[in-house]
Amino acid sequence: SQKIEQNSEALNIQEGKTATLTCNYTNYSPAYLQWYRQDPGRGPVFLLLIRENEKEKRKERLKVTFDTTLKQSLFHITASQPADSATYLCALGRWGSQGNLIFGKGTKLSVKP
Amino acid sequence: DTAVSQTPKYLVTQMGNDKSIKCEQNLGHDTMYWYKQDSKKFLKIMFSYNNKELIINETVPNRFSPKSPDKAHLNLHINSLELGDSAVYFCASSRKAGGTDTQYFGPGTRLTVL
Repeated sequence: SQKIEQNSEALNIQEGKTATLTCNYTNYSPAYLQWYRQDPGRGPVFLLLIRENEKEKRKERLKVTFDTTLKQSLFHITASQPADSATYLCALGRWGSQGNLIFGKGTKLSVKP
Repeated sequence: DTAVSQTPKYLVTQMGNDKSIKCEQNLGHDTMYWYKQDSKKFLKIMFSYNNKELIINETVPNRFSPKSPDKAHLNLHINSLELGDSAVYFCASSRKAGGTDTQYFGPGTRLTVL
């Protein structure tokens, strides 16, 4: 069965450093991958989408890469700030799946001042 | 303006009871979803409706019954609640079904079954 793993449950880094979160998958061939941010007691909020034919996407301090050979996506936050502290979820999707996204468990990022 | 709203935010009830959660979106989207996020934090899709028609129905006990009176509303009714139903339930919507459309999530309903 398909499996999505996000590298660690928790990641602690110092303010100003780059946070790198990993999403690995097996037994699945996604056409695209989305990253969401979830704050405690709230619903996930969309951040970035990357398609299978794209290597990299950027949005302000965020960067996502997608390697279909390694079956891996990396999510980077540069110049991290305490306000970036949240849980980050990756979600895989396929064409024709009618919006059925498969979510990872998430990585809880804590940025210390 | 709240894009996707759910009521209630918290629901505490006894085993065996029947309860409903309501969801409304004011984004003009065609597609709405129900997700369950359990204590291990996995977010798993339960149902999806596109223009009031059921298009995704994952392996969910038939005690769970979604209803979409119009494309802006998707309610979830749960019969004979069990302890294992305790979780946070999220409603979401997207412009269209499928493709790369972003999903917009509601704030969640925390259901606790005693």
